[in-house]
Amino acid sequence: DQQVKQNSPSLSVQEGRISILNCDYTNSMFDYFLWYKKYPAEGPTFLISISSIKDKNEDGRFTVFLNKSAKHLSLHIVPSQPGDSAVYFCAASTGPHQGGKLIFGQGTELSVKP
Amino acid sequence: EPEVTQTPSHQVTQMGQEVILRCVPISNHLYFYWYRQILGQKVEFLVSFYNNEISEKSEIFDDQFSVERPDGSNFTLKIRSTKLEDSAMYFCASRPRAGGLYEQYFGPGTRLTVT
Repeated sequence: DQQVKQNSPSLSVQEGRISILNCDYTNSMFDYFLWYKKYPAEGPTFLISISSIKDKNEDGRFTVFLNKSAKHLSLHIVPSQPGDSAVYFCAASTGPHQGGKLIFGQGTELSVKP
Repeated sequence: EPEVTQTPSHQVTQMGQEVILRCVPISNHLYFYWYRQILGQKVEFLVSFYNNEISEKSEIFDDQFSVERPDGSNFTLKIRSTKLEDSAMYFCASRPRAGGLYEQYFGPGTRLTVT
C-alpha cells in the first residue's frame, strides 16, 4: 500500500545550492501534506505543511509546492546548509477523517556537502 | 518549548513478555498517536486516540496491542505478548487541536528489541 512515495532514497547537494525533495501520492482524499526531518535515533521533527487548497507555502529557507493535478509535492531548501543533512519524510493526512493519521513516504536522505 | 517525551529510550524484552511504552504528550494537545518504524522501513501508523477512546487503528494494531491514557498526562502503548517482529522504534505523537491544522509532534522514540 504505497499511497505516499518518495522515489529518491538519497540526494546530495553542495552547501548554498538548492535542495529539491520530491513526493508523489495516489489518494485524492488527502487534504493536508507535511514534511518532517529526522536525525538518527530521534523522532521526526515537523518542518512545514500545506493544505490542499494552496499550491505553495513558505517558511524561511523552506518552501513546499503542491501540484494537485499531478498528485505531487516538493520541498525546496534554499540555501542548503550542512545542518540540513538528515532524512526527510513526506506525509499526508485526510484531515479530520479517520483521526488525522499520517501516511509517510519512505524518506529521502539529504546530504549537504560543505 | 513543550516536547513529547517517551520512556524508556530502549527496552529489551524476551519474546512472549508484556511491555508498556510510555509517553507524555504536549499538555494542551487533544489527539494522540502511536507509530512505529521497523529498521530500514517507513514510519507506520498504529493507532490514534481522542476523547479517551481509539479513533482509528491500523491492521498492525491487533488484539496484542492496547493503549491507555490513565491520567491527564500519560499515554501508554501495551504489547501483551511480544513477538520478534515487534522489534522497532515506537514513536508517540500528539496534535494540538481537533480541527484546523494537522501537524503532529513526535517524541524521541522507544527502541524495542525483542529477543
